[in-house]
Amino acid sequence: DSGVTQTPKHLITATGQRVTLRCSPRSGDLSVYWYQQSLDQGLQFLIQYYNGEERAKGNILERFSAQQFPDLHSELNLSSLELGDSALYFCASSGVGFVDTQYFGPGTRLTVL
Amino acid sequence: AQSVSQHNHHVILSEAASLELGCNYSYGGTVNLFWYVQYPGQHLQLLLKYFSGDPLVKGIKGFEAEFIKSKFSFNLRKPSVQWSDTAEYFCAVSTLMDTGRRALTFGSGTRLQVQP
Repeated sequence: DSGVTQTPKHLITATGQRVTLRCSPRSGDLSVYWYQQSLDQGLQFLIQYYNGEERAKGNILERFSAQQFPDLHSELNLSSLELGDSALYFCASSGVGFVDTQYFGPGTRLTVL
Repeated sequence: AQSVSQHNHHVILSEAASLELGCNYSYGGTVNLFWYVQYPGQHLQLLLKYFSGDPLVKGIKGFEAEFIKSKFSFNLRKPSVQWSDTAEYFCAVSTLMDTGRRALTFGSGTRLQVQP
């Protein structure tokens, strides 16, 4: 158990819908990272937040957005969902710096039908 | 763009065999290097990391990795694998993004299957 929690574990929705994935970092960690893992794209970095502010952006689509709240939990919002958005979405957290050791959550499996 | 290559996509070994998984990266600057493992149905867990110092790094569960700067490589090794090592292994490298910030870039992963 890494100490990072993610909800829900599984999510099934239809194309065109909007979903929100939630992540709670390890106690004391200020950075939250979001990753997408799919069979064809592998593990892709989406976005990082540090203490409530966006810090780094990776291959995140414009239909996707994220935020980090004062209690440091983070939400990833995915809208206008497409079949290709079906993937595992991981959240990770780290203590300090941009690339300190990252601890991953169990992931949310999103299925878009 | 920076990239991380794991050339072995699927490796099948018998128990007690030795393991070496290759990882090469393309980045000329200072790097931090990681190996993560993902057991079936589970999340990624850190096996080991290299930031600086001794290029031979020891991690959990008997794994080690050697950073060879001249070869841009960070290969993962284990002298004797067990059935419980069956998992997917990801090499990751911290790289500098266009924004000037650093982020982790992952390799495509190597699926290790250990047969009893």
